[in-house]
Amino acid sequence: AQSVTQLGSHVSVSEGALVLLRCNYSSSVPPYLFWYVQYPNQGLQLLLKYTTGATLVKGINGFEAEFKKSETSFHLTKPSAHMSDAAEYFCAVSERSGAQKLVFGQGTRLTINP
Amino acid sequence: ETGVTQSPTHLIKTRGQQVTLRCSSQSGHNTVSWYQQALGQGPQFIFQYYREEENGRGNFPPRFSGLQFPNYSSELNVNALELDDSALYLCASYKQGIDEQYFGPGTRLTVT
Repeated sequence: AQSVTQLGSHVSVSEGALVLLRCNYSSSVPPYLFWYVQYPNQGLQLLLKYTTGATLVKGINGFEAEFKKSETSFHLTKPSAHMSDAAEYFCAVSERSGAQKLVFGQGTRLTINP
Repeated sequence: ETGVTQSPTHLIKTRGQQVTLRCSSQSGHNTVSWYQQALGQGPQFIFQYYREEENGRGNFPPRFSGLQFPNYSSELNVNALELDDSALYLCASYKQGIDEQYFGPGTRLTVT
């Protein structure tokens, strides 16, 4: 079985500061990893994904994440936070490329302070 | 915009009633998954349909059922509604061979 743990249900940073959202996963097979963002009253938008190849993945809106197999982690970072980054972020894992069910973490609410 | 649409946007039902939620997949996408997102939690996988057949199911009782149509649109049906069924229901579509699911905006179901 697969699972995802997001450390910190709520993260608050100042505008312009580094954003770091933590995600650890458990999987008995090589995982595919995703970060999604959800704005209020909206569906999920894919930020970035890791399937195979380069372990540092760049996504939209300046976000990136690094797959670390030894640490079973896939933390999301952004060098400089913007007010528009305020949203709920979800880390997810699947067994196969898009085909199987996505297993999501509980989410991290990101607040940006002016 | 992902090209995935869901209807209705909001719905209020009474405990014991039945509800049907609808999803229109992105053009060319032959697979659809449904997720339930309770307030303050991450989405949970309900089931997936591929070419009109159920292709995987999460830990949800049989009163949750679905259909996929030849045009790849989809329905989620829930019978005998319970208060705990109150949630945002999301559908996601993709085409076999690509690595990304495209989510719709969701249907907010409230059971009173």
